[in-house]
Amino acid sequence: DQQVKQNSPSLSVQEGRISILNCDYTNSMFDYFLWYKKYPAEGPTFLISISSIKDKNEDGRFTVFLNKSAKHLSLHIVPSQPGDSAVYFCAASGNTGKLIFGQGTTLQVKP
Amino acid sequence: EPEVTQTPSHQVTQMGQEVILRCVPISNHLYFYWYRQILGQKVEFLVSFYNNEISEKSEIFDDQFSVERPDGSNFTLKIRSTKLEDSAMYFCASSENRYNEQFFGPGTRLTVL
Repeated sequence: DQQVKQNSPSLSVQEGRISILNCDYTNSMFDYFLWYKKYPAEGPTFLISISSIKDKNEDGRFTVFLNKSAKHLSLHIVPSQPGDSAVYFCAASGNTGKLIFGQGTTLQVKP
Repeated sequence: EPEVTQTPSHQVTQMGQEVILRCVPISNHLYFYWYRQILGQKVEFLVSFYNNEISEKSEIFDDQFSVERPDGSNFTLKIRSTKLEDSAMYFCASSENRYNEQFFGPGTRLTVL
């Protein structure tokens, strides 16, 4: 099931710089998109979401952009902090509520 | 802040044994889910539950799996006869409605020997 893809397994950025995590999807029926952060041995923690009727949603240091024509979304973290180091998952859902997850991107923020 | 809780944190069982994984969703949530993550793989949807019945289930959720909300607070996942390939982290999640973010519990690590 490759409906949601995160093509970059890892990303390394310097503290204070911008982190950009990308996600692509194939199913045009998806209408709600979410980003989760996950530490080892913990459950995914909800970060931010966006409905398909919007193209941007911002919450503090986190902004999610949605490009429906390209079936692409991205998460921007600015400024990045060492505590942001974790695995980030994008997820998508349609009208049933179930979440389809990407493979995850491991973000490392270096001091 | 309300949170989803899961017990046990780690369950070790022999192949063929039954296991029950327990979850307490956030109290005002109405939609409940189970997901699993096999080591090194994606988080995968297993089942969703609303109004005391299954709303949707994946191909993984075969006859060996069942879910129940026995007392209005707990939400359980039962695997009747575990297989080696059932070894994974199992996450419970809940949401206020189908279109809201889902909040996940810390997970139960199931190891089948």
